[in-house]
Amino acid sequence: EVQLVETGGGLIQPGGSLRLSCAASGFTVSSNYMSWVRQAPGKGLEWVSVIYSGGSTYYADSVKGRFTISRDNSKNTLYLQMNSLRAEDTAVYYCATGLGTVVTPSVWGQGTLVTVSS
Amino acid sequence: AIQMTQSPSSLSASVGDRVTITCRASQGIRNDLGWYQQKPGKAPKLLIYAASSLQSGVPSRFSGSGSGTDFTLTISSLQPEDFATYYCLQDYNYLGTFGQGTKVEIK
Repeated sequence: EVQLVETGGGLIQPGGSLRLSCAASGFTVSSNYMSWVRQAPGKGLEWVSVIYSGGSTYYADSVKGRFTISRDNSKNTLYLQMNSLRAEDTAVYYCATGLGTVVTPSVWGQGTLVTVSS
Repeated sequence: AIQMTQSPSSLSASVGDRVTITCRASQGIRNDLGWYQQKPGKAPKLLIYAASSLQSGVPSRFSGSGSGTDFTLTISSLQPEDFATYYCLQDYNYLGTFGQGTKVEIK
């Protein structure tokens, strides 16, 4: 079964750092286009970052220079390192991927909540 | 960055109604557009990809159309389980952008 499971969320003070993990099963992370998408409480969806199978990475302007997407092929896991966190980074963070020839993300994790507050 | 303008932001409808939601891209995106349904506390669910292709397992009452800059999601006969928020997503760019969402509520 194809599955994504995010972990690592929690309460963090402004300026702090957190690393989210997304463990994949049923497919190979390194062969897929993997994304992080977030949703602030009561708000819409925002695509945060993507890593292509070839290793190219892209970031939303709102997180550029603060967040880093990466993967560990041996663990079949995607990561999001978040530094210099701000209150406006408070959100549920989802990892997501497309499968086969469909690039549009069709498989999503359950999400992990990050709360940035003093 | 490509902006996606989705409308309406909310609508009230009855079971059996035909519902239409639109998305307009700030520049041409070919047919690189998907539609999602999201229920409270749940991850988004892909309904339509490539503007008009029905994702496996999604009921045929959902359909999508459009190309270039203007796109439409249609629910032909609204069912009780369809009350949710719907989002469009352009994945033409290397980093996609979502529309603002449309909340479909019970009239």
